Amino acid sequence: GENVGLHLPTLSVQEGDNSIINCAYSNSASDYFIWYKQESGKGPQFIIDIRSNMDKRQGQRVTVLLNKTVKHLSLQIAATQPGDSAVYFCAEDNMEYGNKLVFGAGTILRVKS
Amino acid sequence: NAGVMQNPRHLVRRRGQEARLRCSPMKGHSHVYWYRQLPEEGLKFMVYLQKENIIDESGMPKERFSAEFPKEGPSILRIQQVVRGDSAAYFCASSQGTGNTEAFFGQGTRLTVV
Repeated sequence: GENVGLHLPTLSVQEGDNSIINCAYSNSASDYFIWYKQESGKGPQFIIDIRSNMDKRQGQRVTVLLNKTVKHLSLQIAATQPGDSAVYFCAEDNMEYGNKLVFGAGTILRVKS
Repeated sequence: NAGVMQNPRHLVRRRGQEARLRCSPMKGHSHVYWYRQLPEEGLKFMVYLQKENIIDESGMPKERFSAEFPKEGPSILRIQQVVRGDSAAYFCASSQGTGNTEAFFGQGTRLTVV
């Protein structure tokens, strides 16, 4: 469903710590997932993606985990830096949606120095 | 290789005027998506277009809103007779193909209706 009008959850972490941002998706038919980072006043920026035939994918300082059993997606950021402060969105895609991305509500990440 | 270009970045319109938002996809991309974002909310899908075709407009309000992606030139999102509730950030994304392909976003157009 859509989270309209709700305040975004906030995760505060100390610089250097690892961050874990979670996302629950609703459609078990979704087969492609993307994490986006959005800084204030800017458009969403691609971070990492994962297809449903994988459980884990790693990038530079980021790891995405996919648990299809419970329809859960997580983004792990290692050694979080002040520049990581932003809003993070997960997005899902599947043929039922007609190949358009459906976004989650977002999580605010605040990194304390 | 320029990214997705949107203009204008900021647009102020009085109630009842028309707003035109433009989006030039990345080079080689023929799929364009428009999203709307209200403050502290996620992006809500509006419309998906390919060249000269509207593929999915299930997220578009039935009245006052229209979109096109002509053979030549940018994609246009048009809002007629704007109202205060239309104030939002409008983002365009483009992709190379359909399904399971990365979509790149522009910087958005922030529409303010006064």
